[in-house]
Amino acid sequence: EVQLVESGGGLVQPGGSLRLSCAASGFTFSSYSMNWVRQAPGKGLEWVSFISSRTNTMYYADSVKGRFTISRDNVNNSLYLQMNSLRAEDTAVYYCARGEYGSGSYYYWGQGTLVTVSS
Amino acid sequence: DIQMTQSPSSLSASIGDRVTFTCRASQTINNYLNWYQQKPGKAPKLLIYAASSLQSGVPSRFSGSGSGTDFTLTISSLQPEDFATYYCQQTYSSLGTFGQGTALEIK
Repeated sequence: EVQLVESGGGLVQPGGSLRLSCAASGFTFSSYSMNWVRQAPGKGLEWVSFISSRTNTMYYADSVKGRFTISRDNVNNSLYLQMNSLRAEDTAVYYCARGEYGSGSYYYWGQGTLVTVSS
Repeated sequence: DIQMTQSPSSLSASIGDRVTFTCRASQTINNYLNWYQQKPGKAPKLLIYAASSLQSGVPSRFSGSGSGTDFTLTISSLQPEDFATYYCQQTYSSLGTFGQGTALEIK
């Protein structure tokens, strides 16, 4: 059974840093691209970042470029999001999601982890 | 970057109604268009991928169509469990942009 489990969320002050993790199981992690998607309270879905299966390609939404870094460990089947210089508008539930072959759609999602940026 | 625009932003309908959601891309995305359903407090659920392919396990009352820049999601006969928010997403580029969503409410 495919599972994606996020962790690392919490309360952080503006300007602070946080590292999110997504533990993957039930599939060959190194064969799939992965994504982070976030959802601010009461708002819609926002794609945040993409990383290719072999780690050679990463993309970021303009809203996080230069502040967030996506990475992965294909040995330990884990995806990460290092978030620096956090702002109040980064407050959201952060989901990791697997990109499917061909369509690139996101069938498998984690349960999400809440990041709250507040003083 | 590719922008996705959904309409309407909200929709009221009754059980048994046929409803259609619209999604427009700012540039051609061929058929790299996906539809998701999201209920409060839950992760999104993939309904349709590649514009018109029904994800396994999704009821056949859901259907998708379109290509290029204009796409639709249709629910042929609304059921109580269908009241939720629906999002389109392009995956033509690896920056998987979502539309702003359409909230489907009970009339």
